[in-house]
Amino acid sequence: KNQVEQSPQSLIILEGKNCTLQCNYTVSPFSNLRWYKQDTGRGPVSLTIMTFSENTKSNGRYTATLDADTKQSSLHITASQLSDSASYICVVGPGRKLIWGLGTSLAVNP
Amino acid sequence: EPEVTQTPSHQVTQMGQEVILRCVPISNHLYFYWYRQILGQKVEFLVSFYNNEISEKSEIFDDQFSVERPDGSNFTLKIRSTKLEDSAMYFCASSAGTTSFGPGTRLTVT
Repeated sequence: KNQVEQSPQSLIILEGKNCTLQCNYTVSPFSNLRWYKQDTGRGPVSLTIMTFSENTKSNGRYTATLDADTKQSSLHITASQLSDSASYICVVGPGRKLIWGLGTSLAVNP
Repeated sequence: EPEVTQTPSHQVTQMGQEVILRCVPISNHLYFYWYRQILGQKVEFLVSFYNNEISEKSEIFDDQFSVERPDGSNFTLKIRSTKLEDSAMYFCASSAGTTSFGPGTRLTVT
């Protein structure tokens, strides 16, 4: 069964600190892996998209890694800001039918 | 930057009533999608639409659901006879490579 599992479920960090969110997937066939940021009550916003051949991709303070052999991905946030408080969702696409994780709820406190 | 827009932002309806959720995808995008997110749960794929027809749909997208692109710009999701369990956030998305999501419509069925 195609599944995407994320950890931790929630995370609280202090402003300025770094953090890493994890994603494990069992999705076949694999097309791409995406990380989305979703503010409460809003639609998801794309942070990164990686295909099978990409190991890492950065978008500002966000860096995603992908290990297609172990089917794991991580999202690293550097120098966190209060505005980073949101849900971060890992999404894996077999084609156009995306399989979504439940997300990690990140709270950045001053 | 062009965005996907959705109306209304919040819809309250009584069980058994028909609702139509509206979306205006990004103008040069060719693929359109509807997703839903029940409170506290994962985003779930409903349907994808390409070249004026459904290209893929999930088990959730039963005979109570239909989609339409009536005029070349709007993309609608109709639920014929709403049930309590249809209460959720409904997200429209469009893509031409990168997928962009709208802000969502919160549907509350009472």
